[in-house]
Amino acid sequence: QKEVEQNSGPLSVPEGAIASLNCTYSDRGSQSFFWYRQYSGKSPELIMFIYSNGDKEDGRFTAQLNKASQYVSLLIRDSQPSDSATYLCAVRPSTGRRALTFGSGTRLQVQP
Amino acid sequence: DTEVTQTPKHLVMGMTNKKSLKCEQHMGHRAMYWYKQKAKKPPELMFVYSYEKLSINESVPSRFSPECPNSSLLNLHLHALQPEDSALYLCASSQDWGASGGVQETQYFGPGTRLLVL
Repeated sequence: QKEVEQNSGPLSVPEGAIASLNCTYSDRGSQSFFWYRQYSGKSPELIMFIYSNGDKEDGRFTAQLNKASQYVSLLIRDSQPSDSATYLCAVRPSTGRRALTFGSGTRLQVQP
Repeated sequence: DTEVTQTPKHLVMGMTNKKSLKCEQHMGHRAMYWYKQKAKKPPELMFVYSYEKLSINESVPSRFSPECPNSSLLNLHLHALQPEDSALYLCASSQDWGASGGVQETQYFGPGTRLLVL
């Protein structure tokens, strides 16, 4: 089992819809969770981080964390074509080397 | 300001060349990282520096040699690379590393150096 799993996609949604991106992780003690957006050929850009169970909202983005289910998601409301990118989920393990573990990313396509 | 800068943006080198990648941040962050990213893959951690000391070396070949001259600068010296080393090299920084998690460990990435080894 991979430490951090994401569906590679592509996830295709129409403009204006809600895009839902999901991430599961195997380390039950993980404490910190990050979502990065990466446009093709560019570097990852931090969108949000979340530490507590529940929802965290920032503009059109909402991160949802459920530690019991070892699941973190990112919702993008009113999706725009400019949201088309790869979204990387990153998890900080609870023990050990404590470096971020990245999922393989989900490619999102927002259709105009 | 969450800016990490990297130079050069692009680099083409032969297998016998020696070159260096440079990374700089002025956010007062005490942890800096080198990642390698191949196309359609997530970033792969190479090195972590915490308070200017090497904390993690992910079994990276010795042809990659990191250096942290001060808390704002991180270099990656390249020598005798192979074509398979061609990739996007990313630098990142965070306020801290190895703490209990939280905002201090949020990593901010630079724009990267795209390296091509011929």
